Amino acid sequence: QVQLVESGGGLVKPGGSLRLSCVASGFTFSEYYMSWIRQGPGNRLEWVSSMSTSSYSPHTNYADSVRGRFTISRDNAKNSLYLQMNGLRVEDTAVYYCARVTRIAATGNVPLAADNWGQGTLVTVSS
Amino acid sequence: QSALTQPASVSGSPGQSITISCTGSSSDVGSYNNYVSWYQQHPGKAPKLVIYDVTNRPSGVSNRFSGSKSGNTASLTISGLLPEDEADYYCSSYIITSTLGVFGGGTKVTVL
Repeated sequence: QVQLVESGGGLVKPGGSLRLSCVASGFTFSEYYMSWIRQGPGNRLEWVSSMSTSSYSPHTNYADSVRGRFTISRDNAKNSLYLQMNGLRVEDTAVYYCARVTRIAATGNVPLAADNWGQGTLVTVSS
Repeated sequence: QSALTQPASVSGSPGQSITISCTGSSSDVGSYNNYVSWYQQHPGKAPKLVIYDVTNRPSGVSNRFSGSKSGNTASLTISGLLPEDEADYYCSSYIITSTLGVFGGGTKVTVL
């Protein structure tokens, strides 16, 4: 069965960095767009970033709130998705989910639906 | 971008039907495409996709879950309400002003 396992969360001070990882199994990882979705205080969900199938010439999308600070990447040989988070802010505090994208918009490589999610990893940004 | 608007809570008795609304604008829910999805989330668990493309159910999702859309409002209907349907439900939509979708604020469903 499909499994997504995140790691790398933790407590970090404002301005600090973290790298989240997600290891996938149970499906052909290289055939799917992947996303990071976060759930912050109040349980509000937010698409953070998404990435197309290619590791070498990928299409990536970012939320305005993280563009320029976060970088999504993947290693298809290792069935792994990553999120490098720099310049962390208090408002980035959330549970971060790795998710398999099942539907993509016809234009713009926009992820529309995620059919499998990991268990999430908690990122806390606080001084 | 602004989140989609959902009622904070909806309740119903076992066996009844309930409907959760998700109101947006002509830039998202009401845009020409049918790119609305719905997720169910139990406490402490990750969200689970129950509807995509407004009306489609992923394999394995009960046919008690159905979706629809009219204008700028999408709806999720749960028929034959069961105790295990008690959860939070979130809608999500494509939005023409962004390269990522937008979520609603969530609706807590209580089975009385």
